[in-house]
Amino acid sequence: RKEVEQDPGPFNVPEGATVAFNCTYSNSASQSFFWYRQDCRKEPKLLMSVYSSGNEDGRFTAQLNRASQYISLLIRDSKLSDSATYLCVVNQYNQGGKLIFGQGTELSVKP
Amino acid sequence: SQTIHQWPATLVQPVGSPLSLECTVEGTSNPNLYWYRQAAGRGLQLLFYSVGIGQISSEVPQNLSASRPQDRQFILSSKKLLLSDSGFYLCAWSRRFSEGNTEAFFGQGTRLTVV
Repeated sequence: RKEVEQDPGPFNVPEGATVAFNCTYSNSASQSFFWYRQDCRKEPKLLMSVYSSGNEDGRFTAQLNRASQYISLLIRDSKLSDSATYLCVVNQYNQGGKLIFGQGTELSVKP
Repeated sequence: SQTIHQWPATLVQPVGSPLSLECTVEGTSNPNLYWYRQAAGRGLQLLFYSVGIGQISSEVPQNLSASRPQDRQFILSSKKLLLSDSGFYLCAWSRRFSEGNTEAFFGQGTRLTVV
């Protein structure tokens, strides 16, 4: 089983749609969680951290379920500019600071 | 503010040649440092990470090695490149705190093509 697994993509949605990405992790000792965005041929950039209580940043909402070892990202009112690959990231502090990335889910928002 | 520098941006190397990619971080001390590789259309594979000078953890067996000669310098090397070493190499850093790590910040990456 992979340490971090994401929904296989790609997701093709129309502008204005709501889209949700899911991610599961296998190591229950994981302590920090993040969502990154990666544009084609560019480095990943932090989209948002994921807190235990859930957090929202504009059209983006991230949630964490430690019991199920699951995190999610919800994008409301999708824009063309949201088209990118979204990466789930888990920090395993008990292994000295490993940051493990999921394989990414590609999103394509169409007019 | 903190910045991370990674070079070169692109590299074309023949099979069997050596490799040295360098990454430096400014504006912070004692960071965690990482090397990742991303094959075309794939996710990021963690190659090496370091929590301090001379402390390197290797994640996958391969013909690559990493070194951290100074606190904010991380070097990825190979003695003899293989075709399968082609990919997008990314250096990153993060801060440690008592309960985990902050998010990682990436360099702009090196696109390596082995021919």
